[in-house]
Amino acid sequence: GENVEQHPSTLSVQEGDSAVIKCTYSDSASNYFPWYKQELGKRPQLIIDIRSNVGEKKDQRIAVTLNKTAKHFSLHITETQPEDSAVYFCAASTAGTASKLTFGTGTRLQVTL
Amino acid sequence: DGGITQSPKYLFRKEGQNVTLSCEQNLNHDAMYWYRQDPGQGLRLIYYSQIVNDFQKGDIAEGYSVSREKKESFPLTVTSAQKNPTAFYLCATRRATNEQFFGPGTRLTVL
Repeated sequence: GENVEQHPSTLSVQEGDSAVIKCTYSDSASNYFPWYKQELGKRPQLIIDIRSNVGEKKDQRIAVTLNKTAKHFSLHITETQPEDSAVYFCAASTAGTASKLTFGTGTRLQVTL
Repeated sequence: DGGITQSPKYLFRKEGQNVTLSCEQNLNHDAMYWYRQDPGQGLRLIYYSQIVNDFQKGDIAEGYSVSREKKESFPLTVTSAQKNPTAFYLCATRRATNEQFFGPGTRLTVL
């Protein structure tokens, strides 16, 4: 089955700096890669996703890149703000009716003033 | 994800007791999922259902059971066979375009 590894497990940046979180996956059939943000005690929220037919996707201050050859994808957050502090999870799946997500173990991002 | 409700928010279970967690959705999504989250860890798939009256085991199904009698509902039963059930349980639905959305979760504690 699919295996997703996520690094780093914790990340501390100063407000205004950029943050990068990286994930690798094992199953070359995976073609859908979402990122979730989870605040303490809350549900994970989908913040951005990318499909295997594109290499990069951007939404305001967040962007995701995908390298299918190397089987890795990354989340980039620019101009970080204190409200970006949370745990971020990457995931991978194959599209279709049998789709199920395999999650990474999470990155705790702390944005300091 | 505002269309997914889970109840109760907090649940306490005694040793040897079965408990059922509720998940209801009004998003008209066919696929529904149950995940378990332990402190400081990622989400692990317990069971999933692609359509009414059909469901499959996920990675950690032992000690759990589900039913899918209605499109809107996917209850999870934590049986006494689950030896370490204390965790945060999250229900999710999946859109036809693959995005998954989560309910607010149920926090289960074994007394």
